[in-house]
Amino acid sequence: QVYLEESGGGVVQPGNSLRLSCAASGFAFEKYGMHWVRQTPGKGLEWVAFIFPDEHKKRYSDAVTGRFTISRDNSKNTMDLQMKSLRADDTGVYYCAKDVRETLLAFDYWGKGTLVSVSS
Amino acid sequence: DIQMTQSPSTVSASVGDRVTISCRASQDADSWLAWYQQKPGRAPKLLIFRSSTLHDGVPSRFSGSGSGTDFTLTISSLQPDDFATYYCQQYNLFPLTFGGGTRVDIK
Repeated sequence: QVYLEESGGGVVQPGNSLRLSCAASGFAFEKYGMHWVRQTPGKGLEWVAFIFPDEHKKRYSDAVTGRFTISRDNSKNTMDLQMKSLRADDTGVYYCAKDVRETLLAFDYWGKGTLVSVSS
Repeated sequence: DIQMTQSPSTVSASVGDRVTISCRASQDADSWLAWYQQKPGRAPKLLIFRSSTLHDGVPSRFSGSGSGTDFTLTISSLQPDDFATYYCQQYNLFPLTFGGGTRVDIK
């Protein structure tokens, strides 16, 4: 049974940093691409970042390029999202999501989400 | 970026009704289109990928069609568990993009 659990959310001031983590189980983590998707009051569902199974290739949305860094540790079945220079419009629920295939780029399993609130 | 536009934004329907939701892409998405269902306070769930392929465990009353720029999600006979918000998502090009959602509520 696929299980994804996010952690690390919280309240942070604008300009500060936060690191989200995703713990995965129930599938061959090292064989699947993984994503971060957020849901914000302003833009609804928004894809944030993607990391290939091999840990080295990554893609980002324009909104977070240069500020967020996605990473994964296939030996620990975990994925992280390092977020820097946070802004008010980064506020929302952040989900980690598993790719349907190695790199199909649709999301077949999602975590429950972790709430990030950027506010002074 | 490929913009995804869903219509209608809300549909009011009764149990047993046939419901159709449209999704239009601003440029060619080929068949790389997924549909998700989301209920309040919950994460989205994958229903359909590659425009018409049902995800494991999804009831056969759900179906998808379309290619290029025009796509449709159909619920053949609406059930009580289907009252939710539905989103389309293209994955032909980065950045991956979602539609704004269609809420299906009780008439």
